[in-house]
This record gives sequence, structure tokens and C-alpha cells, in this order.
Amino acid sequence: GENVEQHPSTLSVQEGDSAVIKCTYSDSASNYFPWYKQELGKRPQLIIDIRSNVGEKKDQRIAVTLNKTAKHFSLHITETQPEDSAVYFCAGGYDYKLSFGAGTTVTVRA
Amino acid sequence: DVKVTQSSRYLVKRTGEKVFLECVQDMDHENMFWYRQDPGLGLRLIYFSYDVKMKEKGDIPEGYSVSREKKERFSLILESASTNQTSMYLCASSTSQGVGYGYTFGSGTRLTVV
Repeated sequence: GENVEQHPSTLSVQEGDSAVIKCTYSDSASNYFPWYKQELGKRPQLIIDIRSNVGEKKDQRIAVTLNKTAKHFSLHITETQPEDSAVYFCAGGYDYKLSFGAGTTVTVRA
Repeated sequence: DVKVTQSSRYLVKRTGEKVFLECVQDMDHENMFWYRQDPGLGLRLIYFSYDVKMKEKGDIPEGYSVSREKKERFSLILESASTNQTSMYLCASSTSQGVGYGYTFGSGTRLTVV
């Protein structure tokens, strides 16, 4: 099955700086890569996703890049704000089954 | 507009008890999933179902079973609860229609087995 690894496990950034989270996957058949944000005490929520026929996707301050040859994808958050503090999970898979990374705890320092 | 509802937010059960965790979705999704979330381990798939009465084992099915008698409801059963099953349990659903199959998660059930 698919194995998704996520780094770093924790990330502390100054407000206004950028944050980057990287994930690798093992199954070349995987074609869908979503990112979830989980605020303290709340459910994970989808923030952005990308498909294997797309190299990059952007939504306001959030962008995701995918390198299918190297089997890695990344989340980029620019101009970080205190409300960006959360745990972020990457995931990868095909059909309807996703495998998740272990999560990155992002702390934005004021 | 809660779309995936888990019946309990917090549960405390005794070792050896049979425990039922219920999940209901109102989006007519075909697929439903049970994950457990532990610090440093992320989300690990216990079981999933892609249709009524259908079920498949995930990565950590030992000690668990599931039931899906109706499309909207997916139950996770701990046959004999043990302390190592103390965890946060998340239910999710998704559709196989269209171009996306991003999950919608429930709020989670924090289970403590004593």
C-alpha cells in the first residue's frame, strides 16, 4: 500500500514569514494529494489538493507543488498569520483510499 | 451545517467492554472510513467501506470490526476494549463521483479505556 512520509514534524515561524512542509510517497499509482489543516480540538479540514496531472496549484497564500518523478509534494504558506497555527497533514492515494502523513505542527510566532 | 456526525465526543470505557462508535453522514457519500489519531503517528486507517455491507481492512484492523447496514451510517466496534485502544477516533466520508474524493471528517470521539 501507499506510504506517505511528512517533514518536519514541528515548524515554528515568525509571523509574515513563509512555511514549507514536504511529503514523499511510495506508490507511483497515487494520483491525488490533498492537504488538511487541523486546529486544536477541531476536525481536519481540506485546504488544498492537487492531482498528478498538475505540477502546481495556488489558492491565495497557500500553494502546493507536485513532483511526480521524484514522488514528492510540498505545501507552501506565504505571509503566515497567527491563524495559520495548526497541525497540517498531507495525504496521497488513488481511487478513494488515502494514506496520511504523520502531521506537522506549525506555530506562528507574533 | 455538520455533514459527518460522530455520536459521542468523549467516551470512557472499561477494559473488556464492547464499545460502539457511530458515524452518520448526510452527503450521500459512497465511501466511509474510520481512522485513529495518535500523537506522532498521524491518522491510521482502521477500516473502510465503499458500499453498503462492504468493508475492507485498513492498516490497523486488529481488535476492531465495522458494520455498514445503511449508506449513511458506519459503525466501529471494539470487541473487547483494551487500554492500548485509548485514542482519538475520526470518521470520514467521501464520494467516488466527479473529479475529487477529498474526505469530510467528523469531529472525532476521544475514547479512554481504563
